Amino acid sequence: SQTIHQWPATLVQPVGSPLSLECTVEGTSNPNLYWYRQAAGRGLQLLFYSVGIGQISSEVPQNLSASRPQDRQFILSSKKLLLSDSGFYLCAWSTGFSISEKLFFGSGTQLSVL
Amino acid sequence: EDKVVQSPLSLVVHEGDTVTLNCSYEVTNFRSLLWYKQEKKAPTFLFMLTSSGIEKKSGRLSSILDKKELFSILNITATQTGDSAIYLCAVGGAGGTSYGKLTFGQGTILTVHP
Repeated sequence: SQTIHQWPATLVQPVGSPLSLECTVEGTSNPNLYWYRQAAGRGLQLLFYSVGIGQISSEVPQNLSASRPQDRQFILSSKKLLLSDSGFYLCAWSTGFSISEKLFFGSGTQLSVL
Repeated sequence: EDKVVQSPLSLVVHEGDTVTLNCSYEVTNFRSLLWYKQEKKAPTFLFMLTSSGIEKKSGRLSSILDKKELFSILNITATQTGDSAIYLCAVGGAGGTSYGKLTFGQGTILTVHP
């Protein structure tokens, strides 16, 4: 069966420090991968999505970047964190490039930038 | 730009009550509407709706889609404290920049008191 792993679960970082959040998927090949951010207790905003290795699409201009070095690995990064980067980050995957497919989410990373 | 609006934003009920959550949308070339339940971290899938007028049911939860009026409702009967969660509605489109992505609403926070 397919599983998605996301880490770390919680992260506290000072302003100006770098960031690296990692997400891996097991049990499937060539998944579509997504990074979402969720404001406190609210809806999800799509940040990046990827349909293949090295293929990244950005949804909103921001201080973050994403990379997909391997088929089932998706990384969210920043060179210098801002206070506004605080939030709950969710990684997700879906099978194939079809929006009729449902998303499966990781357990999320709560990022606090101080 | 695709848009999903949920109402109410929050709802407090007592066990045994029946609740109706609403989701309206504007999306380019609608493909599907999905409902998710988020209790603490990872949103979990509830329903995916693609056709008007066909009710989907799972235990005490049911949902229906109206593609003419561009909305969906999620009903929960005989609510229990375990139903307390954020309920997220998401819509997928198939046109232009909407292809391959879900747009989420801001969520409804449901609190069920004993």
